[in-house]
Amino acid sequence: DTGVSQDPRHKITKRGQNVTFRCDPISEHNRLYWYRQTLGQGPEFLTYFQNEAQLEKSRLLSDRFSAERPKGSFSTLEIQRTEQGDSAMYLCASSRGDGATEAFFGQGTRLTVV
Amino acid sequence: KQEVTQIPAALSVPEGENLVLNCSFTDSAIYNLQWFRQDPGKGLTSLLLIQSSQREQTSGRLNASLDKSSGRSTLYIAASQPGDSATYLCAVRGGATNKLIFGTGTLLAVQP
Repeated sequence: DTGVSQDPRHKITKRGQNVTFRCDPISEHNRLYWYRQTLGQGPEFLTYFQNEAQLEKSRLLSDRFSAERPKGSFSTLEIQRTEQGDSAMYLCASSRGDGATEAFFGQGTRLTVV
Repeated sequence: KQEVTQIPAALSVPEGENLVLNCSFTDSAIYNLQWFRQDPGKGLTSLLLIQSSQREQTSGRLNASLDKSSGRSTLYIAASQPGDSATYLCAVRGGATNKLIFGTGTLLAVQP
């Protein structure tokens, strides 16, 4: 059990560029979550997967955001045409498949849009 | 809509002091409540998970309680140390959503 892994740890991009982040959950965790956190705030829910199915998306997830988990293992979060307001920490978490289990988070990807 | 509030927003204590962090939530229909620690620029580290049927959980110097009916949880830290300095976040999971809803955290500074 190596924990939740996120890549890259830091990303600086110019406004208008596309970026993609990757999350590798704890093996055998079939739930995977994406959150966004801005300075001084708690993490805000973006979306979650049960295996490969995306079961819920927040209204925060505009049309420029897309997430996938094609084989029910790792997940990617893509942001198209980045804006300065997208600058934040993007956190991934995973848990087992029932509602009572502990969620484990990765170290996050810090995105800076310049 | 579930809302989670943490008080105080910031706390500074001298080393060795016992302290309590508070978390309140508006909808008591939760599966569980989880306390996390976050160091600056880092991800979240899970500290304690309390199921809705439980009243408290303990891990080392940490003790978390849950009063679901009143929508409150506390995190008690005994004999605080400078290494405890971090932001502490509570989150509830409940209803049909299965997602964690977070508070804004308590920034703790333990002075040596």
